[in-house]
Amino acid sequence: DTGVSQNPRHKITKRGQNVTFRCDPISEHNRLYWYRQTLGQGPEFLTYFQNEAQLEKSRLLSDRFSAERPKGSFSTLEIQRTEQGDSAMYLCASSFLTSGGETQYFGPGTRLLVL
Amino acid sequence: AQKVTQAQTEISVVEKEDVTLDCVYETRDTTYYLFWYKQPPSGELVFLIRRNSFDEQNEISGRYSWNFQKSTSSFNFTITASQVVDSAVYFCALSGTGRRALTFGSGTRLQVQP
Repeated sequence: DTGVSQNPRHKITKRGQNVTFRCDPISEHNRLYWYRQTLGQGPEFLTYFQNEAQLEKSRLLSDRFSAERPKGSFSTLEIQRTEQGDSAMYLCASSFLTSGGETQYFGPGTRLLVL
Repeated sequence: AQKVTQAQTEISVVEKEDVTLDCVYETRDTTYYLFWYKQPPSGELVFLIRRNSFDEQNEISGRYSWNFQKSTSSFNFTITASQVVDSAVYFCALSGTGRRALTFGSGTRLQVQP
């Protein structure tokens, strides 16, 4: 059973550059979530999709951030004009929503360092 | 608004000791879900348990047990006979019918010394 995968695992970029991360969810999971985790903190919600529809965006998701999930499969998270404050671990999770609820399974994360 | 509080920032025990990690939550939802995740040094969050708000039965899985008490809004996690491999950061999290995204606590770092 393949879990959630994320690429790249690490990214170092210079301030002002654009970066894009990819998440491949568990097959047949209809929901996909993005979170951001900074050092010593719990993950914070950014946005989520049900199939291809983006249903909720956090206030943390400034207009420099955009996420897509074309055809309800993999998802990408793009950060434009990166800032040093964007340095964090970006986590993706997927789940299958049922009448009994859902459990989110996480990928290994993409660690971003903005110099 | 939802909130999860893990008051213990760091706990250090010696192998074979029992340890309890505390979690207190706040929510206005009548139906909600509580979770525990483990984050080892590798960084990946590993799912441990999900508990629905309407099911207050405690659960045991091997050396792990969970105590859910709605009256005190707590969902505590106990590791019996701890092992070095239990060393990790443990997160308690909450989601509701109104907000499906997880709200995490700040985590408890558990160090198990040999």
